[in-house]
Amino acid sequence: NAGVTQTPKFQVLKTGQSMTLQCAQDMNHEYMSWYRQDPGMGLRLIHYSVGAGITDQGEVPNGYNVSRSTTEDFPLRLLSAAPSQTSVYFCASSGSGAEQFFGPGTRLTVL
Amino acid sequence: TQLLEQSPQFLSIQEGENLTVYCNSSSVFSSLQWYRQEPGEGPVLLVTVVTGGEVKKLKRLTFQFGDARKDSSLHITAAQPGDTGLYLCAGKRKMDSNYQLIWGAGTKLIIKP
Repeated sequence: NAGVTQTPKFQVLKTGQSMTLQCAQDMNHEYMSWYRQDPGMGLRLIHYSVGAGITDQGEVPNGYNVSRSTTEDFPLRLLSAAPSQTSVYFCASSGSGAEQFFGPGTRLTVL
Repeated sequence: TQLLEQSPQFLSIQEGENLTVYCNSSSVFSSLQWYRQEPGEGPVLLVTVVTGGEVKKLKRLTFQFGDARKDSSLHITAAQPGDTGLYLCAGKRKMDSNYQLIWGAGTKLIIKP
């Protein structure tokens, strides 16, 4: 059981570039979410999904897209990276118990 | 505006001392979770408290949920260097047909040997 996996672990982008952060879980969890973590601000929800084919916006969705074609995968797309998107990104999944299982994170720097 | 206020934001103490971290809100939560996050890793769940007034113990860590289910505290007795990390609280509340997790900003704890 790998739990929640994220790739890449580190990424540097130039302003305007696009990229996809990958997230996969092997626990058959219906609920998946993406957070960004910035110093002093805790975890902020970007997008979430309650099951395959269903996604919704969280607290800070602007500049990000998601899709959920399978239960296992929940990629996060940055369409045109901006310096304000420099952050650490965490993917999480949860089952019926609401405990969130987090991936190891992706540290993104946008120059 | 932070819906879930954690205090202190930062705490550095000597090994063996006691400490308490607080998590306060004006909202009522159906449950409250405490997570610990170590550098370079994602948060890991420590405990979930559900009932108002509930107290849970995890070795030297004691978690309490307020009677009104609006606040919680984490008390560590005889802190050890291994307790170093970022402690996050998250309150769960119902929103439409789903639930919402409200996160505190975290308490960064450093235990010096």
